Amino acid sequence: EAGVAQSPRYKIIEKRQSVAFWCNPISGHATLYWYQQILGQGPKLLIQFQNNGVVDDSQLPKDRFSAERLKGVDSTLKIQPAKLEDSAVYLCASSPRPDTDTQYFGPGTRLTVL
Amino acid sequence: SQQGEEDPQALSIQEGENATMNCSYKTSINNLQWYRQNSGRGLVHLILIRSNEREKHSGRLRVTLDTSKKSSSLLITASRAADTASYFCATDSGYNQGGKLIFGQGTELSVKP
Repeated sequence: EAGVAQSPRYKIIEKRQSVAFWCNPISGHATLYWYQQILGQGPKLLIQFQNNGVVDDSQLPKDRFSAERLKGVDSTLKIQPAKLEDSAVYLCASSPRPDTDTQYFGPGTRLTVL
Repeated sequence: SQQGEEDPQALSIQEGENATMNCSYKTSINNLQWYRQNSGRGLVHLILIRSNEREKHSGRLRVTLDTSKKSSSLLITASRAADTASYFCATDSGYNQGGKLIFGQGTELSVKP
C-alpha cells in the first residue's frame, strides 16, 4: 500500500512570497490532516478534512493560510504572504475515518522563509 | 496548544541499554499514542494505549499509562543505533471531542554504537 505522498520536499522562499504544498493521502482514507512542526516542537494541527469538508480549522491562521481538498482526495495548503515565523515542516497525515485512532504521516515539506 | 510535556527533552545512551521517556498531559483522554520521527522524515506510529489500559507491549516497546497521574512512559529495551530518533507522545480525547491528536514536545533519543 502506498503511503502519504507530499511535494515538494523542500522549499525556500522570501518573506511576503506565496507557497503551496500538495498532499496525496493513502487511497481510501477519508480524513486528511495538515500539521505545522516548528523546529524542536511537536506537530500542531492546522486543519482537518473529512472527505472534502472541513472538520477543524481552529488553529489555521486564516489571514494567510488556506487549504482545500477538492473531490475529497488530494489537498493543497497555501501560505500567502509568508512570514519568517512560517519556517517549519508541514506534515500531511491521513486516516480511514475520523474515529480511527492511528494517523499515517507523509515525509513532510520543509519550508524556509528568508 | 501542546497538551503533553515530555521528559527528558534529550537522552543519550549506549547500544544495549534501556531508554525510558515520560509524557504528562492535562485533560482526560480516550487514548495516548507514541510516534517516532527520524531526522527529516514524517512520523511513524509505534503504539497506542487506551484509557482503560495500564500497560501494553509491542516487541521491544513497553508503554504504561497512569490516568490518575495523567502520565505515560515509553520504555525501549535493548536499544539499537537505529532507534536514534525523536519520540513524541500524542493524546486523543476521542471522536466526540474532535478526534484530533495533540502532540508533546518530544524526546530526542541518541543511541551510540
